[in-house]
Amino acid sequence: AQTVTQSQPEMSVQEAETVTLSCTYDTSESDYYLFWYKQPPSRQMILVIRQEAYKQQNATENRFSVNFQKAAKSFSLKISDSQLGDAAMYFCAYIGGANSKLTFGKGITLSVRP
Amino acid sequence: DVKVTQSSRYLVKRTGEKVFLECVQDMDHENMFWYRQDPGLGLRLIYFSYDVKMKEKGDIPEGYSVSREKKERFSLILESASTNQTSMYLCASLRGARRNEQFFGPGTRLTVL
Repeated sequence: AQTVTQSQPEMSVQEAETVTLSCTYDTSESDYYLFWYKQPPSRQMILVIRQEAYKQQNATENRFSVNFQKAAKSFSLKISDSQLGDAAMYFCAYIGGANSKLTFGKGITLSVRP
Repeated sequence: DVKVTQSSRYLVKRTGEKVFLECVQDMDHENMFWYRQDPGLGLRLIYFSYDVKMKEKGDIPEGYSVSREKKERFSLILESASTNQTSMYLCASLRGARRNEQFFGPGTRLTVL
């Protein structure tokens, strides 16, 4: 069974600094997709970034980028120039093979210090 | 913009009550999902539906059932609520391929006393 592991429950970053959130996953599939979702306090969960396993190039969305290490099964999220609005819970998620179900990690709570 | 709405943000029920959680999406998405979110456990899939009247069990279906009579609406039913079903319930919808983004509702925080 596929598993997604986010080992750090909480992290803190100073405003304008860079922070990296870690995620590892376990799969025997070759075709899969990885996601980072953001859940702000009392607000709806939204997609931050997506990575296709077959693409070697790391995905980037403005201040958000990933470090996708396929051999190591690692998928970390880097947030550059952190802003107060980045404070949220972040979930790493995986979907792959014939399985149409998204598997989530336990999440990490990111706080941003002004 | 895709909009996913859930009938209640907060709900308090008593043990043994039948509970209905409603979810509506306005973008004609084929796939809809119900998750529960608990601290330290992340999101766990309860049920999902890939078409009207079609449903599949997720990872934790026990104690729940679902109904999808219309494409835009997906209901989660707790036949006899129990205290261990106190949780945050999130609905999501998805168009087409599984690689696509899931759109989430605001969540319903259910407390069973």
